[in-house]
Order: sequence, then structure tokens, then C-alpha cells
Amino acid sequence: AQKITQTQPGMFVQEKEAVTLDCTYDTSDQSYGLFWYKQPSSGEMIFLIYQGSYDEQNATEGRYSLNFQKARKSANLVISASQLGDSAMYFCAMEGYDYKLSFGAGTTVTVRA
Amino acid sequence: GAVVSQHPSWVICKSGTSVKIECRSLDFQATTMFWYRQFPKQSLMLMATSNEGSKATYEQGVEKDKFLINHASLTLSTLTVTSAHPEDSSFYICSASPTSGRTYEQYFGPGTRLTVT
Repeated sequence: AQKITQTQPGMFVQEKEAVTLDCTYDTSDQSYGLFWYKQPSSGEMIFLIYQGSYDEQNATEGRYSLNFQKARKSANLVISASQLGDSAMYFCAMEGYDYKLSFGAGTTVTVRA
Repeated sequence: GAVVSQHPSWVICKSGTSVKIECRSLDFQATTMFWYRQFPKQSLMLMATSNEGSKATYEQGVEKDKFLINHASLTLSTLTVTSAHPEDSSFYICSASPTSGRTYEQYFGPGTRLTVT
């Protein structure tokens, strides 16, 4: 069974500052994928970034970077230079061998001007 | 880019009636589609995996007779909530995995908000 843990229910961040969202996972699969999604109040799920378990380098996509520490089973998301439009719910998710996604509880980020 | 649509975007129905939600991949073929349910301020919970031309696979605790899933073509999957009750009120989201391309890709629909009165 796969388990994703996000321990931060909500976070406030000042505009233009960086913020780190924590995510730890547990799985017995040797090969897996880790995702971060953004869900604004409209409800749509927006893909942010992906990290494969065998990828040696941390994934980056624009202002998003994933701090992957395999031994610690953590996959934290770093958002640099926060913008007001970054205010949303953020979900960490894992895909196992069966391609099913398991989601964490989510972290609500509020960016302050 | 890959687009997934859902119809309707929101629906209100009376208790005891059935509601059908459509999930379409608009510019790609999807062998596999997934259906999720999300309550307010909560995470997405996978309900079932839908494979074109075969029966859906339901997650533990999901009533297959209540949530009927049909994946009739490579671009369309439907979720029918039968004999809906107020506790079925939720946000239903589908995702589609392209038949070709990188295996980790899943594209999400915009969701359908169901309210049962």
C-alpha cells in the first residue's frame, strides 16, 4: 500500500518569497513516480512537476522545484518568488506500478501581498 | 496540449434519481481513465479505474452498483450515480491516461460538482 503524508494543513507566505511544502511517502514499489498538483478554488487539478524514483536529478519546472530525498522518502515542493496567483491547495501524489495516483491530504497556501 | 472535459460542470438532482457524468479526452486517446471523488477541503480519493472495452475496477469500499462506470470508447468514460442520496453530494473528477506517450502522464478534467437535494 502507498501512503502520502502532508503535515502542513495551511501556510502563509509573503509575495516574492519562497515557500517549501513538505511531502513524505511510503511504498514498497521499487519504481514509482511523485507528483505535485495545484488546485485553485475553481477545482481544476493543475500538474506542476514530476519526479521519477530513478531520476538522479531533482526536477524543476520554472518556479517549481522538487527536493527529492529518496533515502528519507521525501519529495518537498519549493515554490520560488511566490505570486498572488499561487494561492491554492497543493497536493503531493504518488503513482505506483499500477499507474494509480494516491494523494496526500493537501496544503493550503495563501500568498499575502 | 492534452485536454480532458467533463459534462456537466455542475448538477443538482433530487434524492432517488440517477445522474450521468461524462469524461472526454478531446485531443488524445485514453485507454485508461480514472474517477475520483473529493469532499470539501479534503483530498482526492480514487473511486475506480476505467479501461476501454472492459469492466471498471473499483477501489475498496466503493459500491459498484451505485457508481456505474462505462468506458465505451477511447475518448469517453461515463460515471452514473444511481439512486443518488444527499451523502453522494461531492466533487467528481476524472483523469485520462494517454494510450501513447510517457506512462506517467495523467490529465485531469475540470470536475463535476454534484448536489443531491
